[in-house]
Amino acid sequence: GQNIDQPTEMTATEGAIVQINCTYQTSGFNGLFWYQQHAGEAPTFLSYNVLDGLEEKGRFSSFLSRSKGYSYLLLKELQMKDSASYLCAVRDQTGANNLFFGTGTRLTVIP
Amino acid sequence: SAVISQKPSRDICQRGTSLTIQCQVDSQVTMMFWYRQQPGQSLTLIATANQGSEATYESGFVIDKFPISRPNLTFSTLTVSNMSPEDSSIYLCSVEIPLNTEAFFGQGTRLTVV
Repeated sequence: GQNIDQPTEMTATEGAIVQINCTYQTSGFNGLFWYQQHAGEAPTFLSYNVLDGLEEKGRFSSFLSRSKGYSYLLLKELQMKDSASYLCAVRDQTGANNLFFGTGTRLTVIP
Repeated sequence: SAVISQKPSRDICQRGTSLTIQCQVDSQVTMMFWYRQQPGQSLTLIATANQGSEATYESGFVIDKFPISRPNLTFSTLTVSNMSPEDSSIYLCSVEIPLNTEAFFGQGTRLTVV
């Protein structure tokens, strides 16, 4: 089975940096994804990690440690529009190699 | 990437009735998926819609309650049958292009059962 944990809510200030953590336990790890979801909208893909290390994409970076079952999403130079839910998802190659999502972290950016 | 159109975008239904949600993709895809997102929660995979064969359901979901059709490589439907208020949720269609990379999602169908 899969167990994916994220903080439920976070608040950060405009212009600051925020780190959203995700820990996971899965029997057949085959990649970790981060998605952004604004209220009432579909999730949109942010990043993908399958090897250990940091992947940087503009203001967003994602880190993975497979040995620790740990990832984080780092958001720099926060903007008000970054207020959204951030979903950590793990692909489990056991069985059908499906994606399994954490409960999501609701980030609120304040002025 | 893929453009995924879902309809209806929202509906309010009476308990005991059924609703069919349509998902249309702008390109042929091997795998299509249906997710449910209950209020304030994350996404839960309902089933994989297989073209030309029966859908593969995840634990806790059954064909009688959530029948799925996949007549071709660009289209799928999910029916929520004999609805109860507990079925109030957002239902999302998803595809992966190519297989096992990031998933793309439709805009979702917000269902309220009264």
